[in-house]
Parts: sequence; structure tokens; C-alpha cells
Amino acid sequence: DVKVTQSSRYLVKRTGEKVFLECVQDMDHENMFWYRQDPGLGLRLIYFSYDVKMKEKGDIPEGYSVSREKKERFSLILESASTNQTSMYLCASSLTSGRYTQYFGPGTRLTVL
Amino acid sequence: DQQVKQNSPSLSVQEGRISILNCDYTNSMFDYFLWYKKYPAEGPTFLISISSIKDKNEDGRFTVFLNKSAKHLSLHIVPSQPGDSAVYFCAASLYNNNDMRFGAGTRLTVKP
Repeated sequence: DVKVTQSSRYLVKRTGEKVFLECVQDMDHENMFWYRQDPGLGLRLIYFSYDVKMKEKGDIPEGYSVSREKKERFSLILESASTNQTSMYLCASSLTSGRYTQYFGPGTRLTVL
Repeated sequence: DQQVKQNSPSLSVQEGRISILNCDYTNSMFDYFLWYKKYPAEGPTFLISISSIKDKNEDGRFTVFLNKSAKHLSLHIVPSQPGDSAVYFCAASLYNNNDMRFGAGTRLTVKP
């Protein structure tokens, strides 16, 4: 069964803190993605990775960075958290070729105070 | 620039009736379309997809229709059940492209 897990379901951090969100998939997928979901805006792509150590910016990369040291793990880093980064963060993975489906993790609800 | 739009933030229907969720897109190069369903506190789950070479795809109670000339797709749920109550996202992508665009979502409520 397809599985994408995220390290925390709920997280509360303070402004200026460095925040790490972890995502692990067990499907041997090449592609991994980080989105944020905000009311009225849907899912917006922050970063994606198509291979180990490879990354591409999405629509809203400012204030974020990512790390992919192993195929199954993709980390999202908020270098200095700000209140406007309060959101639901969703990780997804997919195969790399053809008509693929993205499989999502349960999400991390991050609140920055 | 939102390339995929779901103009109805919410929809309420009676159990047993048809639910119709709509989605419009602006990029005529999109050739693969998907619907995802999301329950509270869970990630989106894939529901049904359609490629641009088709105009209809069915899977049980769910049917997706694609009108390429109007750049419009719709999801029909017949009959609607209370368990279908969720947020539905439509998404579009190019073949072999990592860039999938999502709409803002429509919250469906099916009343018993």
C-alpha cells in the first residue's frame, strides 16, 4: 500500500525559529513535492525534487529551502519562520514518467506565533 | 496567476442526488486532469483522472467530463452519499511534467 508519512501532524513555533518538516515515502518514487495549502488558494508548490540532491523551485520558494539526501526522504526547511508561513504543509511523491498520480502525506499544520 | 479555477467554494446536496463540481483552466496545453478528495486532517487522495484524448471517464459513482473547447471539466457523483462530504480539488498538468496546478477546492456537503 502506498505510504507517505510526515514527521508531525501539528507544530507550533515562534517567529525567527528554524523549522524542519520531514517527509518519507516507501514507494521508491523519484519525484517528491512540498506544497502549502491555504484557504481560497488551494495547493501551491513550494519546491520539488526529481532525484537525490536535485531540486527545483515551485511557485512560492521564498523563505524556504529543501534537502533530499536519500531517495525516500525530502525535508522542507523554514530558515527563519514568520507568521505568514502559518499554513498546512503537504508532502507528495510520484513516479517520474508518463501520466502519474501524486500521493500525499497527511499534512503538517504549522502555526508560527 | 491561477491557471486552474474552482469558482464554487462550497456545494450542498441531498443524499441520493447528483453532485456536480466544476473546474475551469486557462492553459490549453494541459493534457491530463485529476480530481483529489480531501478530508479534514488528512492529505488529498486521488479520486479519478482523465487525459485530453477522452471526454469522459467513469469509475463507479464518479464520472469526470472534459470539454476541451470550453477548457472546462466537471466531476459528477451519483448518487451522493454523506461519506462524500469533503473538499474536492481539481488539478491539471502537462504530460511528463512535474508541474501540477491545483484549483482552490470546493467543499461538498452531502446531507442525510
